[in-house]
Amino acid sequence: EAGVVQSPRYKIIEKKQPVAFWCNPISGHNTLYWYRQNLGQGPELLIRYENEEAVDDSQLPKDRFSAERLKGVDSTLKIQPAELGDSAVYLCASSARQDRNTGELFFGEGSRLTVL
Amino acid sequence: AQSVTQPDIHITVSEGASLELRCNYSYGATPYLFWYVQSPGQGLQLLLKYFSGDTLVQGIKGFEAEFKRSQSSFNLRKPSVHWSDAAEYFCAVGAREYGNKLVFGAGTILRVKS
Repeated sequence: EAGVVQSPRYKIIEKKQPVAFWCNPISGHNTLYWYRQNLGQGPELLIRYENEEAVDDSQLPKDRFSAERLKGVDSTLKIQPAELGDSAVYLCASSARQDRNTGELFFGEGSRLTVL
Repeated sequence: AQSVTQPDIHITVSEGASLELRCNYSYGATPYLFWYVQSPGQGLQLLLKYFSGDTLVQGIKGFEAEFKRSQSSFNLRKPSVHWSDAAEYFCAVGAREYGNKLVFGAGTILRVKS
């Protein structure tokens, strides 16, 4: 079974430029998460989707970040414009309906963003 | 507020020695507890999890962890470390009362010396 797939793995951009990350969750997983992991820290939740509905986006900086999961499968996370402090690894994770109440997540390898 | 503390930023152990990584949490609900491992450039892999029942849980790669409610701790242990265990380890806590959102600790980097 394929795991959570993310692209690109690495992205280097200049500040004020836009960037987008893509995530394909494990087949059949209804819940999708975007986490941000700053250097030397643990992951922090940005947004959680149940199917195509964003059910928790309280930590998403909405002035510059946006996310979508139009058909309840793949998701994209966009930053526009990027700032120096956005340099981090952006992790996508998914979970199955039966695991929803227990919080077990399956993570992708992440997209490392460097903003110059 | 929910929080997870991993007091040790770095730990170095000799190959074959025993290992214990500490994790303390502050949660106003019955927690679910997890340990994840992250190798350089990789995503997080689940080592083990505790939901209820037996407070000593076994995981993959020979790891185990013990939930101690009185101490709000969930320490990770391994009796004999292998060089391939060198990685960063994250403790995470979730609870149904908080929408099952996982809160992660800052991680502990494990170095293994031969």
